[in-house]
Amino acid sequence: AQSVTQPDIHITVSEGASLELRCNYSYGATPYLFWYVQSPGQGLQLLLKYFSGDTLVQGIKGFEAEFKRSQSSFNLRKPSVHWSDAAEYFCAVATGGGNKLTFGTGTQLKVEL
Amino acid sequence: DGGITQSPKYLFRKEGQNVTLSCEQNLNHDAMYWYRQDPGQGLRLIYYSQIVNDFQKGDIAEGYSVSREKKESFPLTVTSAQKNPTAFYLCASSIDPGGLGYTFGSGTRLTVV
Repeated sequence: AQSVTQPDIHITVSEGASLELRCNYSYGATPYLFWYVQSPGQGLQLLLKYFSGDTLVQGIKGFEAEFKRSQSSFNLRKPSVHWSDAAEYFCAVATGGGNKLTFGTGTQLKVEL
Repeated sequence: DGGITQSPKYLFRKEGQNVTLSCEQNLNHDAMYWYRQDPGQGLRLIYYSQIVNDFQKGDIAEGYSVSREKKESFPLTVTSAQKNPTAFYLCASSIDPGGLGYTFGSGTRLTVV
């Protein structure tokens, strides 16, 4: 069965600094990969997704992620973090033709002013 | 505007009582999902439905029940058999059974008192 690992439970960065959130997946074939963001007490909003093609995908709010098959990773990056980016971030994987997402345990991002 | 509506936002239940969480969507999506979120555990799939009058158990279905009598609605009942029901519950829908384009509701926080 597929699985997703987000090794960092909490990350703190200063406003204006760069950000990288790690995500590793376990799946035999090429997965469909997603990053979601959740503000406290709210639902999840899709930041970006990777299905195929260019391994560097651009998302909303200035985020991007790179799919690296050799490392089974799909790390999320942002060049300059804003205070409003403070939230919890979830990586998720779906199998090709599958009908459910498997989520990682999330990374809580704190932004220091 | 189309979207998913979960109600109520906060729900309190006495031990031993059943309670039903509402999820309604006007996106004309075929597939709907219920997830449970606990701190540090990410989102875990409870039940999902790909089509009206059909649904499947997810990873943690014990103590829960669902129905899908209408395309727009997918209510979740938390029964007294659920040993630890206090959690944040999220409903999602997807335009296709492949689950590749999830839209999430804003969640219901259930507390057992």
